[in-house]
Amino acid sequence: NAGVTQTPKFQVLKTGQSMTLQCAQDMNHEYMSWYRQDPGMGLRLIHYSVGAGITDQGEVPNGYNVSRSTTEDFPLRLLSAAPSQTSVYFCASSPGVAYDWIEYFGAGTRLSVL
Amino acid sequence: AQSVSQHNHHVILSEAASLELGCNYSYGGTVNLFWYVQYPGQHLQLLLKYFSGDPLVKGIKGFEAEFIKSKFSFNLRKPSVQWSDTAEYFCAVNAGGFKTIFGAGTRLFVKA
Repeated sequence: NAGVTQTPKFQVLKTGQSMTLQCAQDMNHEYMSWYRQDPGMGLRLIHYSVGAGITDQGEVPNGYNVSRSTTEDFPLRLLSAAPSQTSVYFCASSPGVAYDWIEYFGAGTRLSVL
Repeated sequence: AQSVSQHNHHVILSEAASLELGCNYSYGGTVNLFWYVQYPGQHLQLLLKYFSGDPLVKGIKGFEAEFIKSKFSFNLRKPSVQWSDTAEYFCAVNAGGFKTIFGAGTRLFVKA
């Protein structure tokens, strides 16, 4: 049981490049989310999903796309990277209300955009 | 809109000192409250949670938190910190549904 797995762990991009951050969970959780962590700002919700085929925007969605074709996977796409997207990105999953909305986090992806 | 405020961004303590980290939230209805911890180089993990019942909740590693509804607060405490408690601590609030709002975090450094 690996929990929440994120790849890659580190990434450097040039402005304008695109990339996909991968996230997979093996706990059969309905709910998944992407956060970015910036110094002094805590975690801010980018996008979330309440099940396969269903996604919605969080607090800071601009510049990011998501899709949820399976329960296990929830990739985050940066279409045209900008220096403002330099951050640490965390993926999380949750079993939902039956388990008190506790979230389980991946190890994070540290992204630098030059 | 919901918000979570953590009073201290950085705290430095010596081993065996007592710890209290403040957390206030803004939401008038029923809330679920969490403290998550991020040890250096590790991912966030749940420290403790409050959903209902006894407002004093106990978590892992000797941590506890008290929910005071009238003050919209959920402060984290530990009577005697250890060097291994050095980490960043996040207070979080869920007002029903999936979205959880996190505070800005408090970096705790414990001197050996």
